[in-house]
Amino acid sequence: SQQGEEDPQALSIQEGENATMNCSYKTSINNLQWYRQNSGRGLVHLILIRSNEREKHSGRLRVTLDTSKKSSSLLITASRAADTASYFCATDGQGGSEKLVFGKGTKLTVNP
Amino acid sequence: EAEVAQSPRYKITEKSQAVAFWCDPISGHATLYWYRQILGQGPELLVQFQDESVVDDSQLPKDRFSAERLKGVDSTLKIQPAELGDSAMYLCASSPSSGAHHTQYFGPGTRLTVL
Repeated sequence: SQQGEEDPQALSIQEGENATMNCSYKTSINNLQWYRQNSGRGLVHLILIRSNEREKHSGRLRVTLDTSKKSSSLLITASRAADTASYFCATDGQGGSEKLVFGKGTKLTVNP
Repeated sequence: EAEVAQSPRYKITEKSQAVAFWCDPISGHATLYWYRQILGQGPELLVQFQDESVVDDSQLPKDRFSAERLKGVDSTLKIQPAELGDSAMYLCASSPSSGAHHTQYFGPGTRLTVL
């Protein structure tokens, strides 16, 4: 079963624009992570935000977490063509389990 | 930089045949994961090892899938017999220890096509 649902499923923007992707989940969590996957490759960890945190930054990435709405957002500022990839949120803590449960992902295309 | 190694990268097989995938985690990582990713979906955990012991295999179809990590280092995932619905990307990941707050490091995956 997949806990998180990313929105939108696909996003196409121009280089230099900001990209915002959202993730909603169903049950209480311990942590939420964002991963990136280039086409046909493995996933790369981007950032982890704990349930008691509201916002976190890493370079051009900004992640927010709203536990009352069971949602998170990933903002990529000043996007580059190299940011083209699929982005997944993953949560843990569902039903007391430490297992990571991934959403279906958002496919981001950044046009040069 | 250390990476998770997987082989083969691509595998085409006919249904009812046996297939095996190999994973070598980052040195020193005690926890190893096998995921299955169907096209257009996120990865789903098949099995998790802590050293050589299985921690979670609740989503592993045990009638046809098996996984082992005999010496607590590299691991093999086997499917016998393969079915058409097994076509997917099989991803291996490792982390220093168990606990989802640890970053998981993924290998490049094995793309399986069952004809």
